[in-house]
This record gives sequence, C-alpha cells and structure tokens, in this order.
Amino acid sequence: AQSVTQPDIHITVSEGASLELRCNYSYGATPYLFWYVQSPGQGLQLLLKYFSGDTLVQGIKGFEAEFKRSQSSFNLRKPSVHWSDAAEYFCAVGASGGYNKLIFGAGTRLAVHP
Amino acid sequence: DAGVIQSPRHEVTEMGQEVTLRCKPISGHNSLFWYRQTMMRGLELLIYFNNNVPIDDSGMPEDRFSAKMPNASFSTLKIQPSEPRDSAVYFCASSLGTRVYNEQFFGPGTRLTVL
Repeated sequence: AQSVTQPDIHITVSEGASLELRCNYSYGATPYLFWYVQSPGQGLQLLLKYFSGDTLVQGIKGFEAEFKRSQSSFNLRKPSVHWSDAAEYFCAVGASGGYNKLIFGAGTRLAVHP
Repeated sequence: DAGVIQSPRHEVTEMGQEVTLRCKPISGHNSLFWYRQTMMRGLELLIYFNNNVPIDDSGMPEDRFSAKMPNASFSTLKIQPSEPRDSAVYFCASSLGTRVYNEQFFGPGTRLTVL
C-alpha cells in the first residue's frame, strides 16, 4: 500500500536561512508526488507536483523539490525562508483507486524566527 | 473565482447532537472530496464523489457519518449523533477531473468541537 513519511514533525529556522523538508514515500510504480502548504486557519494549497521528467521541480513561492527514486524521497527546499513561510507542509502521493486519490503524510510544522 | 466554500467555519455542539457541514465546490468541478484532519490521524479522506455520485466511501468511519451531493454545487457531511472524538477540522476539496494530475482545491475547513 502507498504511504508517505515525513520524519520531522516540527522544524524551526531563522529568516533568510535555507530550508529542506523531508518526505519519503512507499509506492510500487512510478509515483505521483505533491507538496501542499497549510497556513494557519486555511485550507491546503498546492506548492508543486512531480509526475515524470525532470526530477527537480519548481513550485510557487520560491519552493522546489527533488525526486530521488533511489532514496524514495521527494524533499522540499527553499534557499531563503521568509517569515510568511511559517505554516504546515504536507507531502502526498497519488494513490491507486482509479481517481485522483491522495495519501498524505503527517505534516511538518515550520516555525520561522526573525 | 470564490474557491471552495465551506460553512460553518466553526461549530461547537454537544455530544449527541446532529451536525451538518456544508460545501460548495468550485463551479465546473465534477469531483468532490471530504477530508478529516486530527492530530492523531492526520489528514484522512472520508468520501469521494464524482458527478454527484459517491464513488469511494471507504474512509467514512462509521454509520453515524453520512454524506450527500444532491447537485453539482452542493454537498453535505452529516454526523448523527455526534461524539467528542469527532472533534476535528473537516475539509472539502474539489477538482476538475479524476486524473492524477487534476489538482484538488481545498476549502478553508470547518473546525468542529463536540463537547
């Protein structure tokens, strides 16, 4: 069965520092991978997605993610974090089921220090 | 576009009461999803509709939960009777199609507290 693991529950970084959020997936075939962001009191917003092709994908708000098949990983990165990036981040994998079903990780809560 | 609309945004009720959560998907979207988010279990898919028909309700926790989609622009999730363990944030999402590349757009959620 498909699954997603986000090893870090909480991460704190200083504003301007670089960021990497980890995501590992379990999926038998070529995975479809997503990163969503949830700001406080808001719904989830898609940051970026990977289906095929270039393993480095660019998203909104200056985020990027790299798909590494050998490590079953899809880590999210940003070179310089802004205070407004404080939020919860969810990695997800497209699941089998005949429709656009998603399996979400537990999320990583990001705090940004000024 | 107003996005996915959910109401109410917050609901506080007492154990045993009936609770109805409402969702208006983005106009033109034919797929609708209900999710539940809790600290213990994270984000779980409860039920999925396509063209107003429930396709996958395997995530509905028990018979106290029911969902309907009477038309393309409205869906409800009902809990009767409600229990304290139902306290969670409930999200509705919609998408334009059913292929994996069809993005799900989420509403702001309804925070439910059952006392």
